[in-house]
Amino acid sequence: GESVGLHLPTLSVQEGDNSIINCAYSNSASDYFIWYKQESGKGPQFIIDIRSNMDKRQGQRVTVLLNKTVKHLSLQIAATQPGDSAVYFCAENRVGSNYKLTFGKGTLLTVNP
Amino acid sequence: ETGVTQSPTHLIKTRGQQVTLRCSSQSGHNTVSWYQQALGQGPQFIFQYYREEENGRGNFPPRFSGLQFPNYSSELNVNALELDDSALYLCASSPGTGSPYEQYFGPGTRLTVT
Repeated sequence: GESVGLHLPTLSVQEGDNSIINCAYSNSASDYFIWYKQESGKGPQFIIDIRSNMDKRQGQRVTVLLNKTVKHLSLQIAATQPGDSAVYFCAENRVGSNYKLTFGKGTLLTVNP
Repeated sequence: ETGVTQSPTHLIKTRGQQVTLRCSSQSGHNTVSWYQQALGQGPQFIFQYYREEENGRGNFPPRFSGLQFPNYSSELNVNALELDDSALYLCASSPGTGSPYEQYFGPGTRLTVT
């Protein structure tokens, strides 16, 4: 069925390295994607978003890449810090679904000092 | 912090009981969405309220109902609680203008059904 899924459930990196978290989606009608960070015991925190008419967007230490040809989304975190340790979710909004967000299962990022 | 608040933070209920969860949206936001997040899973959309009207619903039974008030705060009500209703319940608010899709989440209410 249609879903937003993640390639890897866990990712472990060394402090200072760059992290790449991947996400695949199956609905070509998806027009908007968001990455959220969720720390233990907290609600998801908005990181960065991208619309389907873009292929790259940069924020502070983060970059989101969108490849519509293969329906793939990635979140790149530069110079990963211990405070980046969390579960990362990609979410999509599909055309005609109003503001409903469809989330994947999440990737647990662990940053080792 | 997003400015979205939820109460209570934790709640324990018995199967068959009813529960009401509350959410105050971020200032200036007129849209509130509710999500259920089971342990180890991503949030699942329950429903959304826009200007006091339900504006979309996910695959949840009618015993999940909601309200939005004139100040845009919202309630989620769950009747006849089941063990599987144990989860983190999140509300998210959105602005009525600008980017229509950004949703800012509150800290959630952890519901345990025994």
